[in-house]
Amino acid sequence: GQQVMQIPQYQHVQEGEDFTTYCNSSTTLSNIQWYKQRPGGHPVFLIQLVKSGEVKKQKRLTFQFGEAKKNSSLHITATQTTDVGTYFCAGEVDSNYQLIWGAGTKLIIKP
Amino acid sequence: KAGVTQTPRYLIKTRGQQVTLSCSPISGHRSVSWYQQTPGQGLQFLFEYFSETQRNKGNFPGRFSGRQFSNSRSEMNVSTLELGDSALYLCASSRDRGIYEQYFGPGTRLTVT
Repeated sequence: GQQVMQIPQYQHVQEGEDFTTYCNSSTTLSNIQWYKQRPGGHPVFLIQLVKSGEVKKQKRLTFQFGEAKKNSSLHITATQTTDVGTYFCAGEVDSNYQLIWGAGTKLIIKP
Repeated sequence: KAGVTQTPRYLIKTRGQQVTLSCSPISGHRSVSWYQQTPGQGLQFLFEYFSETQRNKGNFPGRFSGRQFSNSRSEMNVSTLELGDSALYLCASSRDRGIYEQYFGPGTRLTVT
């Protein structure tokens, strides 16, 4: 079936280091969304990418959508403690409007 | 605008029982999706309702069912509960199907003993 693979599962970083999570789909996506879930919370929408090769920035966060619309990445520059949480990608497939979710990448800041 | 609300927030049930969870979407949102989240398992899609019709369904057994009412409120039911059904059940609403973001409720934490 259709899948969105998200890696890594966990990433431990020192505060101030960068963080990146990647999503790869087996099929072309019409768009991809990114969500953040803080510990004990619920997923919160961050951004949506629609166009091939699209790049969007939100302060220290940079989101990219691949040229083939099969992969995407989220990069955080100079992580802060407020960035802690799990980041999910969710891709929408044209055929049935269903969102296919990645397994999430948990960002852990080392003490 | 009020957010997505889910009731109850916490629930403890015994194996073999059934449970009904409720979700009230954001006013004006017509699409409601349900997810199961267990530690380390990410978000597992259960089903999506749009205008009272189930449009998509995940790979869950028939013990999991849902419905949506004319006011877009949704319920999900789990019959013959198993220990493995213990999880956080999240409801999300969106304006429409298509390229609209989903707004999640706080979830219902179900524990099956």
